[in-house]
Amino acid sequence: EVQVVESGGGLVQPGGSLRLSCAASGFTVSNYNMNWVRQAPGKGLEWVSFLSSSGSTRQYADSVKGRFTTSRDNAKDSLYLQMNSLRDEDTAVYYCTKDRGMAVWGRGTLVTVSS
Amino acid sequence: DVVMTQSPLSLPVTLGQPASISCRSSQSLVHSDGNIYLSWFQQRPGQSPRRLIYKVSNRDSGVPDRFSGSGSGTDFTLRISRVEAEDVGVYYCMQATHWPAAFGPGTKVDIK
Repeated sequence: EVQVVESGGGLVQPGGSLRLSCAASGFTVSNYNMNWVRQAPGKGLEWVSFLSSSGSTRQYADSVKGRFTTSRDNAKDSLYLQMNSLRDEDTAVYYCTKDRGMAVWGRGTLVTVSS
Repeated sequence: DVVMTQSPLSLPVTLGQPASISCRSSQSLVHSDGNIYLSWFQQRPGQSPRRLIYKVSNRDSGVPDRFSGSGSGTDFTLRISRVEAEDVGVYYCMQATHWPAAFGPGTKVDIK
């Protein structure tokens, strides 16, 4: 079965850092474009970042550009989102999604930024 | 950036009746490769989003055939031929033709 499992969320103070992980099963992460999408409490979906299958293209939403970095470990079949200089408005459930059309979603991991 | 709009934002429906959600983009979603990367997602209460339709009109595996997608250019529609109780939730359209990718604001579907 094709699935992704996000982890690494938690409570962090403003200005802090957190690294999210996305473990894939049933497919090889390096063969697919991958995205991170977030959803603030009670709000809609917001695309956060994209990493191409070749690894040569990274795209970020303006709201996270310069603070968030997406990367991949082919050996572990995992995708990561390094989040620095976190702000209150980054509080959300973060989802990892497979391919350009976002075919597969995990259950998400909750990031809470609060003092 | 491409802006996605949806209407209506709230849709009370009667069980067994059809329902329709409109999605419009601020510019054409035809990619240089000829594809239109327009998808529809369903998010039931308390659950993660689930993709229903990709590239305008292709149904994902396991999606009931009462769901259908259509459209071209900048205007797209998700139709439910006969609404069932399990269809309650929020529906989002999303374009991935242009960067940044963008979701619509969502349409909340509930039962009258």
